[in-house]
Amino acid sequence: DTAVSQTPKYLVTQMGNDKSIKCEQNLGHDTMYWYKQDSKKFLKIMFSYNNKELIINETVPNRFSPKSPDKAHLNLHINSLELGDSAVYFCASSQGASGLYEQYFGPGTRLTVT
Amino acid sequence: AQKITQTQPGMFVQEKEAVTLDCTYDTSDPSYGLFWYKQPSSGEMIFLIYQGSYDQQNATEGRYSLNFQKARKSANLVISASQLGDSAMYFCAMREENNAGNMLTFGGGTRLMVKP
Repeated sequence: DTAVSQTPKYLVTQMGNDKSIKCEQNLGHDTMYWYKQDSKKFLKIMFSYNNKELIINETVPNRFSPKSPDKAHLNLHINSLELGDSAVYFCASSQGASGLYEQYFGPGTRLTVT
Repeated sequence: AQKITQTQPGMFVQEKEAVTLDCTYDTSDPSYGLFWYKQPSSGEMIFLIYQGSYDQQNATEGRYSLNFQKARKSANLVISASQLGDSAMYFCAMREENNAGNMLTFGGGTRLMVKP
């Protein structure tokens, strides 16, 4: 069974649209994350979330919002998509909100904005 | 300032030889963790190895070992007996325990190419 799954794997959409990417983990982890990997392969944290606290990287535009219906899911909503949002988005999870645990990544969602 | 620096954008290694991928980091937090991830061309991120700042011994996982030099703030990944399947991007990352949200900060990556 896949530990961290994301849907869809590929997403092509037009500028101005609103879209969501879903993430689910079956590891029983407490903390989930969203990362963005740009065309130069640079990975950057966007959000960290557990059931108590959302931490937002200050560089993330407020068009991006994470939504967690329950502990196993952290979906990423993006409003008014822009060309610069094209990237691969990775969801990840780890055990606990503190401590130094490794993060397990989903397969990524390649978003292309045209 | 960059928190994680990987100075080798690309490297070649001959199959069956060992290779070292460099990583230096910058933190004032006494408690932190260092991670290496592999990203093959298929795109997934695969966790390889972890080193805690208080660990006395260098971490090892199969053919992967981490050459941790705390005073020099370096955490180089050593891959022994390279295989063709090792060709991939490799990312060094750090999590500082006092960093809110325990988020990973990644280096820019090193593309490793294994030659047959």
